Amino acid sequence: ETGVTQTPRHLVMGMTNKKSLKCEQHLGHNAMYWYKQSAKKPLELMFVYSLEERVENNSVPSRFSPECPNSSHLFLHLHTLQPEDSALYLCASSQDWFTDTQYFGPGTRLTVL
Amino acid sequence: KNEVEQSPQNLTAQEGEFITINCSYSVGISALHWLQQHPGGGIVSLFMLSSGKKKHGRLIATINIQEKHSSLHITASHPRDSAVYICAVRGSGGSNYKLTFGKGTLLTVNP
Repeated sequence: ETGVTQTPRHLVMGMTNKKSLKCEQHLGHNAMYWYKQSAKKPLELMFVYSLEERVENNSVPSRFSPECPNSSHLFLHLHTLQPEDSALYLCASSQDWFTDTQYFGPGTRLTVL
Repeated sequence: KNEVEQSPQNLTAQEGEFITINCSYSVGISALHWLQQHPGGGIVSLFMLSSGKKKHGRLIATINIQEKHSSLHITASHPRDSAVYICAVRGSGGSNYKLTFGKGTLLTVNP
């Protein structure tokens, strides 16, 4: 039990669909992160939220839209994605966004047709 | 060239063998992390270190700041150690707080 949950675990969507990924952390952490992991590539940081405010947007296309309604929940809204967006999307949290160990969720395996 | 390089990319071992995975980085860092990712995707943080050596069970992590190099050792390896091991570094100072990840080392331990 990592304390970070993600839903759904698997998602298949067409390029015209709109879907959302959800992340929830039960650790009382202040920072939450979205990462993208593509095959044969290192993990890529997408967004960082600290105390519900976005502190990092790592040149991510606007078809990915994050939302952090409170410190326990993080969403990634998806619309008009491309097949190259197919990847494993991982959520993580940490006590502090600057220095602490990050705890990862199990990930959502996204396939864009 | 990636700022974080891991070697080897793939490693196959027999149960019981001593395993070493290496990580080299090219930037100044405040901390280095070793992570484990099992098939299916979930990532677990194994170590966070900024100097010296840490040990947890059969796992040992060392770092040499001057040489910009870290190693992860597994003693008495077991098939359940089969996973991808990822090295990540956190920059030092300014806006370099982000984690930069290596591509990972795929370890397979055969019974």
